[in-house]
Amino acid sequence: AQSVTQLGSHVSVSEGALVLLRCNYSSSVPPYLFWYVQYPNQGLQLLLKYTSAATLVKGINGFEAEFKKSETSFHLTKPSAHMSDAAEYFCAVSLGGATNKLIFGTGTLLAVQP
Amino acid sequence: EPEVTQTPSHQVTQMGQEVILRCVPISNHLYFYWYRQILGQKVEFLVSFYNNEISEKSEIFDDQFSVERPDGSNFTLKIRSTKLEDSAMYFCASILSNTEAFFGQGTRLTVV
Repeated sequence: AQSVTQLGSHVSVSEGALVLLRCNYSSSVPPYLFWYVQYPNQGLQLLLKYTSAATLVKGINGFEAEFKKSETSFHLTKPSAHMSDAAEYFCAVSLGGATNKLIFGTGTLLAVQP
Repeated sequence: EPEVTQTPSHQVTQMGQEVILRCVPISNHLYFYWYRQILGQKVEFLVSFYNNEISEKSEIFDDQFSVERPDGSNFTLKIRSTKLEDSAMYFCASILSNTEAFFGQGTRLTVV
């Protein structure tokens, strides 16, 4: 069965500092992996996705993630945090196929300090 | 830019009442979903819908829940007899085919 683990329910960084949000997955077959962002009282917005092409994936707002099969990881990074990055971030896995349902991690709330 | 729209944005209902949450998926998409997020918890899959039938449902999606695509554009989630624990944010999503899911803004359901 698929599962997603996000280490760190809360992460706080200073403005301009590196952002690193961790995600590890479990899947019996090659997965599709996603990062979604949720701003307060809003829906889920796709940041980036891995669908078995390049292992380093670039997304919106300067975020990127690297798929590492050997580590079963898909960590999200951004070189320099901005105040507007403060939000909750969800890693999700899908096997694709007929259903394409997403299995989400528990989320990481990112705070950016001035 | 096409988007998934959900109505209402917030619904308050009394325990035991029926509610219908409405969604208009992106027009050329083929797969439709409902997810829910209880306050402070992760987003959970409820049900997927393809070719006018349920393709998969989770353990949460019991007999109190049903989905319908009545007119080729709307996609509804009905909860027949709401319970306090049904209070959550409900998200509709749609997918074209093996691509990323596009989510609506959600309906916050409060059962009192």
